[in-house]
Amino acid sequence: ELKVEQNPLFLSMQEGKNYTIYCNYSTTSDRLYWYRQDPGKSLESLFVLLSNGAVKQEGRLMASLDTKARLSTLHITAAVHDLSATYFCAVIQNTGFQKLVFGTGTRLLVSP
Amino acid sequence: GAGVSQSPSNKVTEKGKDVELRCDPISGHTALYWYRQSLGQGLEFLIYFQGNSAPDKSGLPSDRFSAERTGGSVSTLTIQRTQQEDSAVYLCASSFSAGTQYFGPGTRLTVT
Repeated sequence: ELKVEQNPLFLSMQEGKNYTIYCNYSTTSDRLYWYRQDPGKSLESLFVLLSNGAVKQEGRLMASLDTKARLSTLHITAAVHDLSATYFCAVIQNTGFQKLVFGTGTRLLVSP
Repeated sequence: GAGVSQSPSNKVTEKGKDVELRCDPISGHTALYWYRQSLGQGLEFLIYFQGNSAPDKSGLPSDRFSAERTGGSVSTLTIQRTQQEDSAVYLCASSFSAGTQYFGPGTRLTVT
């Protein structure tokens, strides 16, 4: 059974600082997603990573994938308050269709 | 274009009552998914539709839960004889074939 773990669960950081969120998964998968969720809102797709070594960047966020280590990272550069949200990684379970298995989420709080 | 829509946005019901939750996927999306988000269990997969058929119902928590999709579009999730542990946010997502899943705003269900 595919399991997905994220850490940290909670991250409080100051504006301007850098940090990384980690996502480990237990079995091989075709793809990995990062989603953002604002309080009381739904999930917004950020990145999809399809192959070993894949790197995607959007603004201050950069996601990477190491399929051999079964590890993805979401790196935050020079954080700003608008990045405050909960970030989820989700891995496709290879069951013949696209069932997403989600990590526990990382709640990010960026303070001035 | 229009995203995934869900109704109602909030539903409060008494224990033992039946509820129906509705999902309108993005036009043209062939795949539709239901997930549940709760504090204790995180984000869990419930059921997947490809067209009108549901190849995988393994995530449904009990036989009180059922879902259908008609015309390859709208889906309803029905919970019979609701219990307090059914309280959660029910999220619907759709995708074109095996692509990225786009989530709706969710229905917050509270069972009193």
